[in-house]
Amino acid sequence: SQTIHQWPATLVQPVGSPLSLECTVEGTSNPNLYWYRQAAGRGLQLLFYSVGIGQISSEVPQNLSASRPQDRQFILSSKKLLLSDSGFYLCAWSGGSSGRGEQYFGPGTRLTVT
Amino acid sequence: KQEVTQIPAALSVPEGENLVLNCSFTDSAIYNLQWFRQDPGKGLTSLLLIQSSQREQTSGRLNASLDKSSGRSTLYIAASQPGDSATYLCAVRLNFGNEKLTFGTGTRLTIIP
Repeated sequence: SQTIHQWPATLVQPVGSPLSLECTVEGTSNPNLYWYRQAAGRGLQLLFYSVGIGQISSEVPQNLSASRPQDRQFILSSKKLLLSDSGFYLCAWSGGSSGRGEQYFGPGTRLTVT
Repeated sequence: KQEVTQIPAALSVPEGENLVLNCSFTDSAIYNLQWFRQDPGKGLTSLLLIQSSQREQTSGRLNASLDKSSGRSTLYIAASQPGDSATYLCAVRLNFGNEKLTFGTGTRLTIIP
């Protein structure tokens, strides 16, 4: 069966520090991968998605970037965090062109920027 | 621009009752609609996926319906249990080539024992 991992689970970082969040998927190949952010009192917002290695699409301009160095690995980064980057970051995957389009989410990373 | 609305924002019902959660969307040309639950501090768990060509999907005590023409979906929960307490989110996807899910802000459900 497929499993999606995210780490770390929680993170407290000062303003201006760098960020790296990692997501890996097991039990599938060629997945579509997604990064979402859920801010307090707001809905889920798609940040980036990837349909293959090195292919990244950005949904909103922001202080963050994403990379996909391997088929089942998706990384969310920032060079300098802002207070507004605080939130709950969720990684998700779907079966790509071979799937029904159903998205499956990881456990999330709670980021607090101080 | 697709907008997804879930009303009410919060709902409390006694254990054992049947209940319906609502989801409305403004653009009826959707590819699919997905229902999720989210427990506090946790990720999302996929409950049901309805393709645009389907009218409903069932999984155990859950039944989701889709009426594209009116831009509405409902999630029916039968014989509610305290373990059903969570926030329920619906999300729509516009078309096959568009990977973006547009989420509603959710309904926080509390089942009273």
